[in-house]
Amino acid sequence: KAGVTQTPRYLIKTRGQQVTLSCSPISGHRSVSWYQQTPGQGLQFLFEYFSETQRNKGNFPGRFSGRQFSNSRSEMNVSTLELGDSALYLCASSTQGIQETQYFGPGTRLLVL
Amino acid sequence: GIQVEQSPPDLILQEGANSTLRCNFSDSVNNLQWFHQNPWGQLINLFYIPSGTKQNGRLSATTVATERYSLLYISSSQTTDSGVYFCAVGSNDYKLSFGAGTTVTVRA
Repeated sequence: KAGVTQTPRYLIKTRGQQVTLSCSPISGHRSVSWYQQTPGQGLQFLFEYFSETQRNKGNFPGRFSGRQFSNSRSEMNVSTLELGDSALYLCASSTQGIQETQYFGPGTRLLVL
Repeated sequence: GIQVEQSPPDLILQEGANSTLRCNFSDSVNNLQWFHQNPWGQLINLFYIPSGTKQNGRLSATTVATERYSLLYISSSQTTDSGVYFCAVGSNDYKLSFGAGTTVTVRA
């Protein structure tokens, strides 16, 4: 069974631009969650989706948004990028949600210049 | 939210040594997971262990939920064990809260 995939793997943007990251979960997994990892703040929860519904959202500004499609694939969007948005963005999937073993993708490294 | 503290922050080991990593959390949890992050950033799930003890090869983990801590044991460490080890906890709010991690360096 293929693992969690994330695209693109690397991305360079400039301040003010917007970016969309994609996450394809393991086949059969309906829960997708997103995390931001930075040297200063560590791993922080962004949001969790299950069957196209957002069940929780972390403490991030409204510039960070996400969605999940009927095939469980998920996207997250960051608008009006700031330098501080440079980070490794990780997604994880599971069959029912966070109360189970989480399987992480390789991440997308975003650099904002 | 739940606070998660991991200790020590850094650990340097000689190959073959044993070690213990600790995770303390501030509130009741029904979900605790240990992860290993390799140098390329990939997070690998080691254990799902909200309570009790589990073993997987040279790794084992124990969670004492009533006392709000978990321990990860690495025995006979190898250079491939190097990386950052994270503890993550959750309750009933559909999110995981991560600790700051323990950076393990195993020297040959």
